[in-house]
Amino acid sequence: RKEVEQDPGPFNVPEGATVAFNCTYSNSASQSFFWYRQDCRKEPKLLMSVYSSGNEDGRFTAQLNRASQYISLLIRDSKLSDSATYLCVVNSPGSARQLTFGSGTQLTVLP
Amino acid sequence: ETGVTQSPTHLIKTRGQQVTLRCSSQSGHNTVSWYQQALGQGPQFIFQYYREEENGRGNFPPRFSGLQFPNYSSELNVNALELDDSALYLCASSPGHQGTNEQFFGPGTRLTVL
Repeated sequence: RKEVEQDPGPFNVPEGATVAFNCTYSNSASQSFFWYRQDCRKEPKLLMSVYSSGNEDGRFTAQLNRASQYISLLIRDSKLSDSATYLCVVNSPGSARQLTFGSGTQLTVLP
Repeated sequence: ETGVTQSPTHLIKTRGQQVTLRCSSQSGHNTVSWYQQALGQGPQFIFQYYREEENGRGNFPPRFSGLQFPNYSSELNVNALELDDSALYLCASSPGHQGTNEQFFGPGTRLTVL
């Protein structure tokens, strides 16, 4: 079983739609959680950190459920510029505090 | 402030050869992590360097090795290249080695092994 699992998609949605991505992680000792965005053939960039209380950044809302080991990302009022791959990322315990990435969910927002 | 830079941007090698990839960390960052991203997959952690010492390693064989220099720039060396080593190699720097530190990624080096 992969440490971080995501629905690979692709998700094709019209502009203005609301879309939700889900992610599960297997290591209950994981301590930090993130969503990264990766445009085609570019490097990943931090979209937002995810906190247990849930957090919002404009049109983006992230939720974490530690009991279920489940992370979600909600995008409201999708824009064409939201088209990208969204990577669920978990920080693993250990000296390196390495980031463990899911395989990513591809989103295409259609005009 | 200069971001993370990597060189070269693209590289083509043949099986059995050796390759060195380079990374310059963002100003003020003392930690560099290397990741391998195969097509259609998320990045996989190779190893991390903190203040010139290896600070953790992922599930990669010993033919993947690295260095960090006093200016915190870093190298990734891969010996005896295999076809499966074809991937995007990403370097990320952070201001510390704690998990809460955001990692800033460079544009990557795309390696093709023929």
